[in-house]
Amino acid sequence: KAGVTQTPRYLIKTRGQQVTLSCSPISGHRSVSWYQQTPGQGLQFLFEYFSETQRNKGNFPGRFSGRQFSNSRSEMNVSTLELGDSALYLCASSWGSASGPYNEQFFGPGTRLTVL
Amino acid sequence: ILNVEQSPQSLHVQEGDSTNFTCSFPSSNFYALHWYRWETAKSPEALFVMTLNGDEKKKGRISATLNTKEGYSYLYIKGSQPEDSATYLCAFEVPGNQFYFGTGTSLTVIP
Repeated sequence: KAGVTQTPRYLIKTRGQQVTLSCSPISGHRSVSWYQQTPGQGLQFLFEYFSETQRNKGNFPGRFSGRQFSNSRSEMNVSTLELGDSALYLCASSWGSASGPYNEQFFGPGTRLTVL
Repeated sequence: ILNVEQSPQSLHVQEGDSTNFTCSFPSSNFYALHWYRWETAKSPEALFVMTLNGDEKKKGRISATLNTKEGYSYLYIKGSQPEDSATYLCAFEVPGNQFYFGTGTSLTVIP
């Protein structure tokens, strides 16, 4: 069973540009969550998509957006990049059950974004 | 915003030592607590999912306990080996597939 894949693995952009990151979940999983990790911070939740709909959203500005396709692949877009957006972006896939008992999230390897 | 705290932030131990670290979370409305191991340049890997007060889970030399009434979980590593060097994350899951992560404990095992 293939794991979660993310592309690209590394990206260098300059301030003001925009970027799109991609995540392909484990086959059969309908939920994709996105996280940002910066030095000294835990994984900060960006948003979760389930069956092509954004179901949960973290506390990030509107420059961060996403979408999910019918095959459950998800993209995350960051517009007007700032230096502080330099981070590791992880996606995680799961069945996405909202009613229990619990979900297991499986993580991709991440995309390392550097903003110059 | 839900607060999940891990301590210590980092730890250096000698090979063969046993060690433990803590994850603290809100004690009300508990749903599930997850532990992950995150090695450098790899994806976080799930270790345990804990759902019941008093749960104890074990995988090889690693074990975890859960106290939902007081809001903490311990992760223990017995006889640490260099390959145990990693960051250990805990995550508090709430209904609706939302996870709140701690900042992690970075473990370095010195040969």
